[in-house]
Amino acid sequence: AQSVTQLDSHVSVSEGTPVLLRCNYSSSYSPSLFWYVQHPNKGLQLLLKYTSAATLVKGINGFEAEFKKSETSFHLTKPSAHMSDAAEYFCVVRPSNDYKLSFGAGTTVTVRA
Amino acid sequence: DTAVSQTPKYLVTQMGNDKSIKCEQNLGHDTMYWYKQDSKKFLKIMFSYNNKELIINETVPNRFSPKSPDKAHLNLHINSLELGDSAVYFCASSHLAGQTYEQYFGPGTRLTVT
Repeated sequence: AQSVTQLDSHVSVSEGTPVLLRCNYSSSYSPSLFWYVQHPNKGLQLLLKYTSAATLVKGINGFEAEFKKSETSFHLTKPSAHMSDAAEYFCVVRPSNDYKLSFGAGTTVTVRA
Repeated sequence: DTAVSQTPKYLVTQMGNDKSIKCEQNLGHDTMYWYKQDSKKFLKIMFSYNNKELIINETVPNRFSPKSPDKAHLNLHINSLELGDSAVYFCASSHLAGQTYEQYFGPGTRLTVT
């Protein structure tokens, strides 16, 4: 069975400062990992994905994430937050032997001017 | 040229009514999904169809019935609506396998049952 733990339910940063969203996973099989973003009253948009290629994955809007197998982590970072980054972020895992995605509980990001 | 579209965007109805939500994708994917997002933003898979065949059927009341007339469409019919059905329902699509099986989501349908 797989599970996803997002370690922070809410992250608040100042505009222009770094953002770190933490995600740990457990999976019996080599997983694919994703980060999605959901802006208020919108659908989910894929930020980036890890599928057993490079462990450092670059996504859209300046986000990147690093897959660390030894720590079972897939943390999302951005060097400089923008006001438009205020949204809900979901870490998602799909094991190699299943069709189903498992979603973390989400992290709400607020950006202070 | 919206990739995954849902109608309606908002749906307000009374308990006991029957309603349907429609979903269409133009990405050429072979698999479509329905998710429910509750008030705490938790997302849970409900159903999935691959080439019109049901492949995921989670523990959902049988008042919920998905139908897939073709690969590009997946509808969700809900009978005898209850207050607890109030949520945002998302449709998604993907390839089932291969290198590009990430899911693409529609804008959601906010269902309010009064």
